[in-house]
Amino acid sequence: EDQVTQSPEALRLQEGESSSLNCSYTVSGLRGLFWYRQDPGKGPEFLFTLYSAGEEKEKERLKATLTKKESFLHITAPKPEDSATYLCAVQAGRSNFGNEKLTFGTGTRLTIIP
Amino acid sequence: NAGVTQTPKFQVLKTGQSMTLQCAQDMNHEYMSWYRQDPGMGLRLIHYSVGAGITDQGEVPNGYNVSRSTTEDFPLRLLSAAPSQTSVYFCASSYTATYGYTFGSGTRLTVV
Repeated sequence: EDQVTQSPEALRLQEGESSSLNCSYTVSGLRGLFWYRQDPGKGPEFLFTLYSAGEEKEKERLKATLTKKESFLHITAPKPEDSATYLCAVQAGRSNFGNEKLTFGTGTRLTIIP
Repeated sequence: NAGVTQTPKFQVLKTGQSMTLQCAQDMNHEYMSWYRQDPGMGLRLIHYSVGAGITDQGEVPNGYNVSRSTTEDFPLRLLSAAPSQTSVYFCASSYTATYGYTFGSGTRLTVV
């Protein structure tokens, strides 16, 4: 069974204080690992897809990296507007349809204090 | 583009009532899914579709039905609402299987 564990559950940082969020996963045949941002009362917003170990992607103050067992979302010099819950999800390569389901973690609630 | 539109945004049902959550997308995406989000459990897949006329069950399908008669619409039907179906429901669509999904803003459902 596919599993995704995110840590920490919650993280409070001062503005400008860099840190990393962790996503550990077990999946049979990783097809993709996804990062989403979710603001309160809204749907998840797509950030990145990573497909293979060693891959990295960046967007503004965020950088996502991937190994065979985990992914990190690095946030550099965060601002208060980066406050949100960050969700990680994995997609396995088993379905005949080619639309393998996403298995989500429970998220990391990030708060950036001005 | 409106993206993924879900209606209603809020709904209160009595146990045993039925209803349909609406989902429409205007991006010509083939892949559409329904998820529910509960505290401490993450998003869980209910049903999904890879194109008009093709649907399949996800992780938690019991008590829900779907159909996909057009590319744009993917309604979720609750057959006989139960308190355990109190949740926030999200519809999502994607161009391909491995591309990032676009989520709607959700329907908050309470069953009393």
